[in-house]
Amino acid sequence: EVQLVESGEGLVQPGGSLRLSCAASGFTLRTYWMHWVRQAPGKGLMWVSRISTDGIDTTYAGSVTGRFTISRDNAKNTLYLQMNSLRAEDTAIYYCARESPGDRYFDLWGRGSLVTVSS
Amino acid sequence: DIQMTQSPSSLSASVGDRVTITCRASQTISTYLNWYQQKPGKAPNLLIYGASSLQFGVPSRFSGSGSGTDFTLTISSLQAEDFATYYCQQSYTTPRTFGPGTKLDIK
Repeated sequence: EVQLVESGEGLVQPGGSLRLSCAASGFTLRTYWMHWVRQAPGKGLMWVSRISTDGIDTTYAGSVTGRFTISRDNAKNTLYLQMNSLRAEDTAIYYCARESPGDRYFDLWGRGSLVTVSS
Repeated sequence: DIQMTQSPSSLSASVGDRVTITCRASQTISTYLNWYQQKPGKAPNLLIYGASSLQFGVPSRFSGSGSGTDFTLTISSLQAEDFATYYCQQSYTTPRTFGPGTKLDIK
């Protein structure tokens, strides 16, 4: 089955760190640009970050620049999001998403991982 | 960054109704406009890409149109399973910004 499965969710104190993983199955991750999108409780979707197929080109939303790092291990078919200096406003469900080449739409999403930042 | 707006922010309708949701980009994005449906507790699901192309498996009652800065999503005859929140997203450039969403509920 073609799917993305996130892991690493949890509760962390403000200023703490957490790493999310997104494991791909049923397809070869290395051929796709990948993204992270988050959704705060009761709010809309917010794009967080993207990474190129080879992992060299990365881009971030302004609110997470310098605190979050996206990476990938194509040999393990896995995408990562390292989140440092976490703030209460980072509390959200984090989705990984696959970008289809060409029109660049997100055609496959994970189920999401809940990150809660609270003391 | 390109800003995306949607209207209305919420909409009440009945089964069988024809519904139209609009999306506007703050600058031209050609046809790099996608529509997603999200149901409570679930991940978003792609409906329309490239402004008007129907994703495989999506019912034909969904359609999209537009180019440049103004776009629409139309549901020709609402079904019970269509009550959800709908988001537009531009894929012209990064960041891949989303609209604020339109919540469609039962009248």
